[in-house]
Amino acid sequence: DGGITQSPKYLFRKEGQNVTLSCEQNLNHDAMYWYRQDPGQGLRLIYYSQIVNDFQKGDIAEGYSVSREKKESFPLTVTSAQKNPTAFYLCASTLSTVSNQPQHFGDGTRLSIL
Amino acid sequence: GENVEQHPSTLSVQEGDSAVIKCTYSDSASNYFPWYKQELGKGPQLIIDIRSNVGEKKDQRIAVTLNKTAKHFSLHITETQPEDSAVYFCAAPNPDTNAGKSTFGDGTTLTVKP
Repeated sequence: DGGITQSPKYLFRKEGQNVTLSCEQNLNHDAMYWYRQDPGQGLRLIYYSQIVNDFQKGDIAEGYSVSREKKESFPLTVTSAQKNPTAFYLCASTLSTVSNQPQHFGDGTRLSIL
Repeated sequence: GENVEQHPSTLSVQEGDSAVIKCTYSDSASNYFPWYKQELGKGPQLIIDIRSNVGEKKDQRIAVTLNKTAKHFSLHITETQPEDSAVYFCAAPNPDTNAGKSTFGDGTTLTVKP
């Protein structure tokens, strides 16, 4: 079955540590997105990528970094500069960058501070 | 950019009753309006969507209505069941970009009491 796989499901970060969240899709989708979800605040866009080797900042990019070296992979690094990283992180994809299509989501990674 | 407001933030109904969740959007150029259901510990999943050339769409017990003049769209769930309990999100595209981005509402937590 095609879909988006996020790993790990749970992740713990120590002070001063960078951690990387994995997102892989086998849907052959062009565009991929990272969201942060906090209770009662909906989904906030961190970074997005429209095509391989290209990505743009979303609304809350500070303290995060991404890469898009392969079409199917869009890893997110939460750096030590992100002072409040505890949240549920969701990766999504769309077939193309046309605006009238649904987003397909993974099942998320829950990140906590040790 | 697009601004999406979703109401109510929480909704509790008795099994068998109907539930209605409403979203308003700001950009009159938006033309695609999906609804997502998120179960605990999972990513959001598309349950129904509507495009701006129709006013209503039904799929069994769920329906979505769109009022483009007033810039609002609503999710209707009839004959609710306990398994309908989840967080529901509406979304609207950001038509001023070419990135497939969407703005999400803050979510509605629906509880169906048996």
